[in-house]
Amino acid sequence: QVQLQQSGPGLVKPSQTLSLTCVISGDSVSSNSAAWHWIRQSPSRGLEWLGRTYYRSKWYNDYAVSVKSRITINPDTSKNQFSLQLNSVTPEDTAVYSCARGHHHAFDIWGQGTLVTVSS
Amino acid sequence: QSALTQPASVSGSPGQSITISCTGTSSDVGFYNYVSWYQQHPGKAPKLLIYDVSNRPSGVSTRFSGSKSDNTASLTISGLQAGDEADYYCTSYTSSSTLVVFGGGTKLTVL
Repeated sequence: QVQLQQSGPGLVKPSQTLSLTCVISGDSVSSNSAAWHWIRQSPSRGLEWLGRTYYRSKWYNDYAVSVKSRITINPDTSKNQFSLQLNSVTPEDTAVYSCARGHHHAFDIWGQGTLVTVSS
Repeated sequence: QSALTQPASVSGSPGQSITISCTGTSSDVGFYNYVSWYQQHPGKAPKLLIYDVSNRPSGVSTRFSGSKSDNTASLTISGLQAGDEADYYCTSYTSSSTLVVFGGGTKLTVL
């Protein structure tokens, strides 16, 4: 049974970096058939795809245009996890952030979600 | 404003069938057969119901079905049950620079 467990702070100050980690159990971050995504959800923006990392003989990343200049998603094969870093956050980045497994062009497994509030 | 358009709300009585539409463009829904649907109860993570337009993951009830015509995808729920009351979201891959787009969500009320 595949599970994703998220961790990270729920409060980040404006202009600082939001950092979250997603630990994978029951699958591998290096899987050749899955991708590992970050998605956020807020009342004002709805659901928003942020980016993904995946392995197909080498590592690839794709990012949403809206955050491309500020986002990094990194795999960590030693800990079987992947992370999200979002720089220079503003209150508009306040949202529930979720990691998810991508399989068959869909998100079939989700983390529990982390409410991240950007406030001083 | 979400890239895919869904009705804000739909309702139905127990036992009835309802359909939720998801309208995109020729760059997303109309281009790819990569539409998926999710059910989300309050405070919970979304649950995958349909992938690749009409495929159900193992364990998802056959009461949920998906289809697509041109730029519009649809989710049909038959035999409505009280537990179906939730928010429903569609997604699609897109040929634009952002890989995936979401619908704004539809709140289903079971009367």
